Amino acid sequence: DIQMTQSPSSLSASVGDRLTITCRASQSISTYLNWYQQKSGKAPKLLIYAASSLQSGVPSRFSGGGSGSDFTLTISSLQPEDFATYYCQQSYSIPLTFGGGTKVEIK
Amino acid sequence: QVQLVQSGAEVKKPGASVKVSCKASEYTFTGHYMHWVRQAPGQGLEWMGWINPNSGNTNYAQTFQGRVTMTRDTSISTAYMELSRLISDDTAVYYCARDVTGGSVFDPWGQGTLVTVSS
Repeated sequence: DIQMTQSPSSLSASVGDRLTITCRASQSISTYLNWYQQKSGKAPKLLIYAASSLQSGVPSRFSGGGSGSDFTLTISSLQPEDFATYYCQQSYSIPLTFGGGTKVEIK
Repeated sequence: QVQLVQSGAEVKKPGASVKVSCKASEYTFTGHYMHWVRQAPGQGLEWMGWINPNSGNTNYAQTFQGRVTMTRDTSISTAYMELSRLISDDTAVYYCARDVTGGSVFDPWGQGTLVTVSS
């Protein structure tokens, strides 16, 4: 199974901050990497697919990058509605696996 | 808009089975695989498997082999996930999620169904 490791597991940030979350795969997954946002008590929401493609309707302050085994999710200017937990997911091979999540809290 | 609506919360005793439904609307149900993902309280996301609503073919995560059954009823655009021989560690929110690209990318997700296993 491919292990997905996110860092940090949590962070505190302020509105307007630039934020980068990293995700590392235990083997190369090309660009088969997706990012989701989950707010408390809600279902996850797709933000980025194929490492860098922005899902329709997602604000352009979100961007993704990377290939191989190292990936990033960047929020260019943190907004109040962005405080949530973010998960990466590899879609390279079965079983599909997720990172442990990064919780973004208000400083 | 595309929507997945799941059945309500369940409380089950250890050893019992639970069947969760996921009704799809505003898209061609047979045109997209459906995945199931669960999330234990305060924990991360765990993929359980998928079903091809067109053929009925399934692919289950090894962790759940022998205990999970995914089915569908195309006449009502509904997918089902049944988990048997429940234990307390199966207490979780269970989500269905549409495979939007054909490459195991999930959008949208159902609202989730809380399954509580308790004696």
